[in-house]
Amino acid sequence: GIQVEQSPPDLILQEGANSTLRCNFSDSVNNLQWFHQNPWGQLINLFYIPSGTKQNGRLSATTVATERYSLLYISSSQTTDSGVYFCAVAAPRGYNFNKFYFGSGTKLNVKP
Amino acid sequence: DAGVTQSPTHLIKTRGQQVTLRCSPKSGHDTVSWYQQALGQGPQFIFQYYEEEERQRGNFPDRFSGHQFPNYSSELNVNALLLGDSALYLCASSLAAGAANEQFFGPGTRLTVL
Repeated sequence: GIQVEQSPPDLILQEGANSTLRCNFSDSVNNLQWFHQNPWGQLINLFYIPSGTKQNGRLSATTVATERYSLLYISSSQTTDSGVYFCAVAAPRGYNFNKFYFGSGTKLNVKP
Repeated sequence: DAGVTQSPTHLIKTRGQQVTLRCSPKSGHDTVSWYQQALGQGPQFIFQYYEEEERQRGNFPDRFSGHQFPNYSSELNVNALLLGDSALYLCASSLAAGAANEQFFGPGTRLTVL
């Protein structure tokens, strides 16, 4: 299947700091999404971004499909940003077609 | 706009038993996918249902089976439970078969096998 690598695996920030999370993937994709998983396990949609750049408040994301990576930016972090951030992708063809593959996540801890 | 719902929220079973988990997709969606998330890992794709048929399957044994109903809701069945089946089971819905469209997830069912 598609290999999805996220970095860093763990991140500790002071409230108000900025951060960048990275997602590398091994094949061309027709779907890339960023999720925030809260402590109760709910996956919250942050961005649907197979290519290009999007912004939503303090969060923004960029996917460079030709170079097979995506970045999630968190500015002015808050304690409520804590949790695990997942990147997930799907491929447009071949054996991987129609399957959604997740990375292993970045665990973010924002300290007050 | 109703989101994806799952039931039950928690479940405790013993080895060898069978379990059924349920999922109702987001309003307007017709495709349901199931994922297993072990502790500390990312979710893993089990299978996808569209038009009441299994369209794609991940690397899971035949003990894992499913069904989709005419109203697009879905069930995940796991037979002969093993300790290793303990996990968070997530359901996702989307519009049309495949994984190209945006996927929306339910709150999950936490299964514990003793």
